[in-house]
Amino acid sequence: GNSVTQMEGPVTLSEEAFLTINCTYTATGYPSLFWYVQYPGEGLQLLLKATKADDKGSNKGFEATYRKETTSFHLEKGSVQVSDSAVYFCALLSTSGTYKYIFGTGTRLKVLA
Amino acid sequence: KAGVTQTPRYLIKTRGQQVTLSCSPISGHRSVSWYQQTPGQGLQFLFEYFSETQRNKGNFPGRFSGRQFSNSRSEMNVSTLELGDSALYLCASSSDPSSTDTQYFGPGTRLTVL
Repeated sequence: GNSVTQMEGPVTLSEEAFLTINCTYTATGYPSLFWYVQYPGEGLQLLLKATKADDKGSNKGFEATYRKETTSFHLEKGSVQVSDSAVYFCALLSTSGTYKYIFGTGTRLKVLA
Repeated sequence: KAGVTQTPRYLIKTRGQQVTLSCSPISGHRSVSWYQQTPGQGLQFLFEYFSETQRNKGNFPGRFSGRQFSNSRSEMNVSTLELGDSALYLCASSSDPSSTDTQYFGPGTRLTVL
């Protein structure tokens, strides 16, 4: 079946450090891939998405590239800020069979000033 | 355009009671999905409704049920509450996942079962 695996957190970084949060997936067909972010006390917000191989999603300085050959969609940011502290979820939407989102377990990021 | 709204935001119940949560999707969205989020299990899919029909269902007991109305608003019901049902319940809407459209989440309803 479809699944998403994220690196475990928490991840603690200093401000302006480089961020990578790994995400790999297992899916049949050609799923769409997403990164969502959840700030304390809030629901999930879409951060970026990619719908086909080699697409790069980007938003607010975050980037992720859909790599079909490695079934990965790693999230990166060149210089994190304290305000980026949140939980990040990788997700896929299978476009074959049942259309259902599958979420990773989430990675908590803490950025220190 | 207004976002996804969920009511109530917080709820405290005791074991054995039942509860109903409500979700109003973004205007024009016909798909509503429900998720349970807990620290131990992460985000788990409950069910998805599209045009008043349950289209997908996760692996939850029959105590968890839902429905969708003709205006796309959705309700989720949990009967005979257990302590383990304490969680953040998130609702998300999209125009139709089959078009790879994005899901938009509400702020959630935090349910505490005592």
